[in-house]
Amino acid sequence: AQSVTQLDSQVPVFEEAPVELRCNYSSSVSVYLFWYVQYPNQGLQLLLKYLSGSTLVKGINGFEAEFNKSQTSFHLRKPSVHISDTAEYFCAVTNRDDKIIFGKGTRLHILP
Amino acid sequence: DGGITQSPKYLFRKEGQNVTLSCEQNLNHDAMYWYRQDPGQGLRLIYYSQIVNDFQKGDIAEGYSVSREKKESFPLTVTSAQKNPTAFYLCAGAAANTGELFFGEGSRLTVL
Repeated sequence: AQSVTQLDSQVPVFEEAPVELRCNYSSSVSVYLFWYVQYPNQGLQLLLKYLSGSTLVKGINGFEAEFNKSQTSFHLRKPSVHISDTAEYFCAVTNRDDKIIFGKGTRLHILP
Repeated sequence: DGGITQSPKYLFRKEGQNVTLSCEQNLNHDAMYWYRQDPGQGLRLIYYSQIVNDFQKGDIAEGYSVSREKKESFPLTVTSAQKNPTAFYLCAGAAANTGELFFGEGSRLTVL
């Protein structure tokens, strides 16, 4: 069975500082990996996805993530955050034949 | 404009009443999902449907019902049997080749 663990429920970071949101997964087969962002009272939007190929994936709003198969991780990074990045971020995994599994989310708080 | 459309965005109901949340899509997705979101609990799967006229229970199906009479529509009924229905409800469609989910804007249900 697949699972996703987001190691931090909340992450505070100062504006213009770098941030990393951690995600680890478990699966016995090849996976597709996703990061979604949710702003208050809205649905989830796709930030980026890893399907195959290059392990460094670039997404919208300056975010990127690196797929590390040996460590079963898919951490999300941004070199310089903005106040508008305040949101909740969800990591998700699927093996295509099974339904997608979400982590519990990480709230990113941007401090002025 | 294409996508997943949920309505209403906000809904109030009295205890003991059933309420139906609408979810419509024009993305030609075979698979559709309903999630419930409560603060700090991430997304919990209520029901999903992989094809017309077929659906399966998710992790928290008790007190909910769905139908899938046509591909474009996947309404969710919150029945009076649901003990704690106040929550944010999200509908999504899934891309067939990757399992990537496309979300609606959500419906916030408040029971008075």
